[in-house]
Amino acid sequence: DTAVSQTPKYLVTQMGNDKSIKCEQNLGHDTMYWYKQDSKKFLKIMFSYNNKELIINETVPNRFSPKSPDKAHLNLHINSLELGDSAVYFCASSQVVSGSYNEQFFGPGTRLTVL
Amino acid sequence: QQPVQSPQAVILREGEDAVINCSSSKALYSVHWYRQKHGEAPVFLMILLKGGEQKGHDKISASFNEKKQQSSLYLTASQLSYSGTYFCGLGGSEKLVFGKGTKLTVNP
Repeated sequence: DTAVSQTPKYLVTQMGNDKSIKCEQNLGHDTMYWYKQDSKKFLKIMFSYNNKELIINETVPNRFSPKSPDKAHLNLHINSLELGDSAVYFCASSQVVSGSYNEQFFGPGTRLTVL
Repeated sequence: QQPVQSPQAVILREGEDAVINCSSSKALYSVHWYRQKHGEAPVFLMILLKGGEQKGHDKISASFNEKKQQSSLYLTASQLSYSGTYFCGLGGSEKLVFGKGTKLTVNP
């Protein structure tokens, strides 16, 4: 059984388009994240949700909008895609215990290419 | 604040040892280590917590020096499967801030 899954795995689109990436976890975790990994492999957090509530919103253009319909799902919608949005986007989840953050389980990633 | 990892890259022969360091300019609460193989997702290796608690794999060891604000990952008797990029992440109250990674290549 896949613990954290993302769809699609690859996304190729034109500049200016709007696209969404979906993430689901079946680990029963209460916290989910979106990370962006650029061409230099730098892994940077974008958003984090705890029990469907947004708790981290890093300096990300407001063209990016996360949505968490329930604890097991965290989607990412991107409007007006730009060339610089090309990257691999990872979803992850973890369980927070007494304010302490445990290991994060990453999804397989979505490689977004904006032409 | 992003942690600083060193070295940026290291090449080993199978069976050799390596140490990867992770330094912070701020006091450490917890340090997380992950390994990412090419084209794959990062995979959890270990968490070191303030106070000495560790959670992780038996075959990998790490240290956490709160005073020096530094953590080191020790890879002994390296195997080909150890190749990949190693990331340390500094754990605060809500998020991990990852370093830029150390690329480890193990050759036969």
